[in-house]
Order: sequence, then C-alpha cells, then structure tokens
Amino acid sequence: AQSVTQLDSQVPVFEEAPVELRCNYSSSVSVYLFWYVQYPNQGLQLLLKYLSGSTLVKGINGFEAEFNKSQTSFHLRKPSVHISDTAEYFCAVEGYGQAGTALIFGKGTTLSVSS
Amino acid sequence: DGGITQSPKYLFRKEGQNVTLSCEQNLNHDAMYWYRQDPGQGLRLIYYSQIVNDFQKGDIAEGYSVSREKKESFPLTVTSAQKNPTAFYLCASTRDRRGTEAFFGQGTRLTVV
Repeated sequence: AQSVTQLDSQVPVFEEAPVELRCNYSSSVSVYLFWYVQYPNQGLQLLLKYLSGSTLVKGINGFEAEFNKSQTSFHLRKPSVHISDTAEYFCAVEGYGQAGTALIFGKGTTLSVSS
Repeated sequence: DGGITQSPKYLFRKEGQNVTLSCEQNLNHDAMYWYRQDPGQGLRLIYYSQIVNDFQKGDIAEGYSVSREKKESFPLTVTSAQKNPTAFYLCASTRDRRGTEAFFGQGTRLTVV
C-alpha cells in the first residue's frame, strides 16, 4: 500500500526567503508523485508532478521538486516566496491496486508567508 | 469552460437527516472521486468510480453512499449513519489513465446543526 508523510504541518517564512516543504512516501511499486496547492475554501490545483525521467521537476509559480528514490522523498522548493504563496500544500502519491488510480494525500503543510 | 461544479457551496443539516452533495463535470473524464477534508487530516478518500454504474469504497466509506448513473455526475449522500459528518467535501475527476492530473471542484462545506 502507498502512503505519504508530510514532515511539517506548518512552515512560517518571510517574504523573499527560500522555502522547502518536505514529503516522504512509501510504495512497493513505481510511483507517480504530485504536489497540489489549496487556497482557503477552494479546491486543489496541481503544482507539479513526477512520472519518470529527470528527477528535478519544475512546476507553476516558480516551484520545483526533486524526486529522490533512495530516500523516498519528493520535497518541494521555491527559492524566493511571495505573500501570495500563503496556502496549504499537499503531497500525493497515486494509488495502485485497491485504491485504483485515486490519489493518496499527506496531511498537508500550511505555508505562511509574512512581510 | 470545462470543469467540475460542486453544489451547494455551504450546506446545513439537522442531525438524523440524509443530505446529497452534487458533483458534475464536463471534462469527459471517466473517473470521479469524493474526498473528505478535516483540519490536520489532509484529504481522505470516501468513494471513487472509474466507469459508469460502478464504484468502489475508499478508506472512509462508512455512512456515505454514491451513485454513478451518468458519466458526468457523481452525487454523494451523507446518511444519518455518518457519526461526524461536519467537514469540507471535495469532488475530483481524472481521465482514467495513470499519472494524469486530478481536477477538483470548489468544495462543499457541510455543517450539522
């Protein structure tokens, strides 16, 4: 079975500082990994995904993530954050088997950017 | 514009009543999903459907029911058997192929009063 652990529930940072949101996964099969963002009282929006190939994946809004198979990690990074990046971020792995292709989510990391 | 529409945005229910949340998509996606979101819990899968007239239970299906009579519609009924139904409910859809992006509705916030 697949699972996702987001290591930080809250990450406060100042504007223009770099940020890393950490995600570890477990899976006995090859994985597809995703990061989604959720703004207050809204649905989720895809930031980026890793399917195969280059382990460094670039997404929208200047975010990127690195897939590390040996450490089973998929950390999300941004070199310089803006106030508008304040949101909740979810790491997800695609289920396989009993869960079909449904996404299995971590518990989320709240990114708070202040000036 | 293509997308997923959830209605209503806010819903209040008295204890002991069933209530149905609507989810419609015009993306021509085969697969549809219902998630429940609680603070600090992330999104937990309630039910999913990969084809019309077929659906499977997710991790927390108890107290919920669904139907999939049409490709574009996947309503969720929260029954009186659900012990703690107050939550934010999200509907999503994908093309039924691995590695594709999930598109989400704007959610329905259900409050039991």
